[in-house]
Amino acid sequence: AQSVTQPDIHITVSEGASLELRCNYSYGATPYLFWYVQSPGQGLQLLLKYFSGDTLVQGIKGFEAEFKRSQSSFNLRKPSVHWSDAAEYFCAVGSADRGSTLGRLYFGRGTQLTVWP
Amino acid sequence: NAGVTQTPKFRILKIGQSMTLQCTQDMNHNYMYWYRQDPGMGLKLIYYSVGAGITDKGEVPNGYNVSRSTTEDFPLRLELAAPSQTSVYFCASSGAGGSPLHFGNGTRLTVT
Repeated sequence: AQSVTQPDIHITVSEGASLELRCNYSYGATPYLFWYVQSPGQGLQLLLKYFSGDTLVQGIKGFEAEFKRSQSSFNLRKPSVHWSDAAEYFCAVGSADRGSTLGRLYFGRGTQLTVWP
Repeated sequence: NAGVTQTPKFRILKIGQSMTLQCTQDMNHNYMYWYRQDPGMGLKLIYYSVGAGITDKGEVPNGYNVSRSTTEDFPLRLELAAPSQTSVYFCASSGAGGSPLHFGNGTRLTVT
């Protein structure tokens, strides 16, 4: 069965500190992987995506993520967090296999990020 | 660009009432989706559509219905509202080729 695990429900970091949000997935097909960010009262905004190729992908707002197939992980990182990064972050997986419904994503439960000044 | 527009933003329903959540997109996307978001649970897919006239169930379709008569619109219908349907509902759309989802700002629904 498809599933996405974000083991950290809530993370608190100081502004300027580095950040890593964990994501592990279980998926029987070739995966597409995404990270989305949600600010309060807003919809989800795409941070970055992995389809194939280079396993280190760059996204918006200085975020990056690394796909590790052997560990079934797609962790999100940022070297220096800004107060405006406080939000909820969702990891999602979809199928890259031909015939699958692209965009039918499975989401993790989210990680709430708090940034201390 | 408006992107994905959802109406209403907020709604309170009594048990047993019905309503339609509206969703429209102006990006000419073939794929459209309805997700619900419950606290600490992430997003669950309710229904999706791969084009006008074609819809299919997602993970949690019970209690909901959809239709897709045009490329732009994908309304979600609740026929007999129940407290378990209290949630935030998100509509999304995407193009072909694995392009990412574009989300609306959500509809917060309370059923009491």
